[in-house]
Amino acid sequence: EVQLVESGGGLVQPGGSLRLSCAASGFSFSDSWMNWVRQAPGKRLEWVANINEDGGVQKYVDSVRGRFTISRDNAENSLFLQMNSLRVEDTAVYYCANAKAPGTFGYWGQGTLAIVSS
Amino acid sequence: QSALTQPASVSGSPGQSVTISCTGTSSDVGAYNFVSWYRQHPDKAPKLIIYDVNNRPSGVPDRLSGSKSGNTASLTISGLQAEDEADYFCASYRGRIDLDVVFGGGTKLTVL
Repeated sequence: EVQLVESGGGLVQPGGSLRLSCAASGFSFSDSWMNWVRQAPGKRLEWVANINEDGGVQKYVDSVRGRFTISRDNAENSLFLQMNSLRVEDTAVYYCANAKAPGTFGYWGQGTLAIVSS
Repeated sequence: QSALTQPASVSGSPGQSVTISCTGTSSDVGAYNFVSWYRQHPDKAPKLIIYDVNNRPSGVPDRLSGSKSGNTASLTISGLQAEDEADYFCASYRGRIDLDVVFGGGTKLTVL
């Protein structure tokens, strides 16, 4: 059974940092592109970043480039999202998801909520 | 951010069929067959229900189907059931380093 379990969300002040983690099991993690997707309250889903199988390629949506860093540890079957210089508009549930195909998210975690507020 | 356009809501009675549209551009929906659909129940994670325009993952019933014409993709749900009441999102590959995937705004399906 595929499982993706996110953690690391919480309440942080604007300008602060959070590090999200995603523990994966039940599929070949090291052979999968991985993604972070977020959903602000009552808003559409938004792709945030992804990373290729060996971590050598990362892509980011414009609004987070330079502030967020996606990384992975294939030995630990884990995905990470380091979020710095957080803004109020970064408040969202953050999901990790594996890629079934380009632009396609096969399995999703339950999400972790990051709230940026003073 | 560029995004796909979906109707905000659709509705139908049990047993009926509904179709949800998803309109993009020649840079996403029109350019690639990597269009996918997701179902999301309240406070739950999205679930993949259609990928590559018209393929169903294992376990998804065949009363759910997808199609595409030009820059518009569609999801059709036939034989509506109460469990189909949920939010539905479409997504398309865009392939840009600064925008790899675009999502639709979501459609709330109400089963009357």
